[in-house]
Amino acid sequence: TQLLEQSPQFLSIQEGENLTVYCNSSSVFSSLQWYRQEPGEGPVLLVTVVTGGEVKKLKRLTFQFGDARKDSSLHITAAQPGDTGLYLCAGVVAGTYKYIFGTGTRLKVLA
Amino acid sequence: DTEVTQTPKHLVMGMTNKKSLKCEQHMGHRAMYWYKQKAKKPPELMFVYSYEKLSINESVPSRFSPECPNSSLLNLHLHALQPEDSALYLCASSKGGLSYNEQFFGPGTRLTVL
Repeated sequence: TQLLEQSPQFLSIQEGENLTVYCNSSSVFSSLQWYRQEPGEGPVLLVTVVTGGEVKKLKRLTFQFGDARKDSSLHITAAQPGDTGLYLCAGVVAGTYKYIFGTGTRLKVLA
Repeated sequence: DTEVTQTPKHLVMGMTNKKSLKCEQHMGHRAMYWYKQKAKKPPELMFVYSYEKLSINESVPSRFSPECPNSSLLNLHLHALQPEDSALYLCASSKGGLSYNEQFFGPGTRLTVL
């Protein structure tokens, strides 16, 4: 079974704190996406990482793809209440057409 | 237009009803997807259409019947559902074939089966 495990599962922090969310697998991925989903809404694409070791920045969010393309991380600097939501990594396992979602990280940022 | 739209937003149906969910995109994407999402869980893939042909069915019960009338539209026909089918149903689209990358999601249909 190909799995994308995210950690932590839940995270509640104060406004202004930094945090990192991890997405790990034993499989190699052709590319990996990160999404944020708010309650009752569909996931919204944040970023795609393709190359091993790639780092992408989106304002206060920094995304990294592992050198072996088996893992990824999302770092948020100075979190704000608007960052609250479910963060999902997802991707296509290399050599397959299988698109799988990570187990999700539920983030709550308190004002 | 970078939106995927879904109707209805909410749907309540009995176990003997027949209803349909609709999804539309005008981004020129050639792959469209149906997902089911239970509370506090990640989306689970149900069906994938690539160039208007059903390419993946993730062993979904026959009470769910997808249809892709054209490259912009995707329907999900529902019949004789069970209460455990209550969930958020998400439609998504992506560019070309089975690349799957960068899926754009609609807001979902919240389905309740009584």
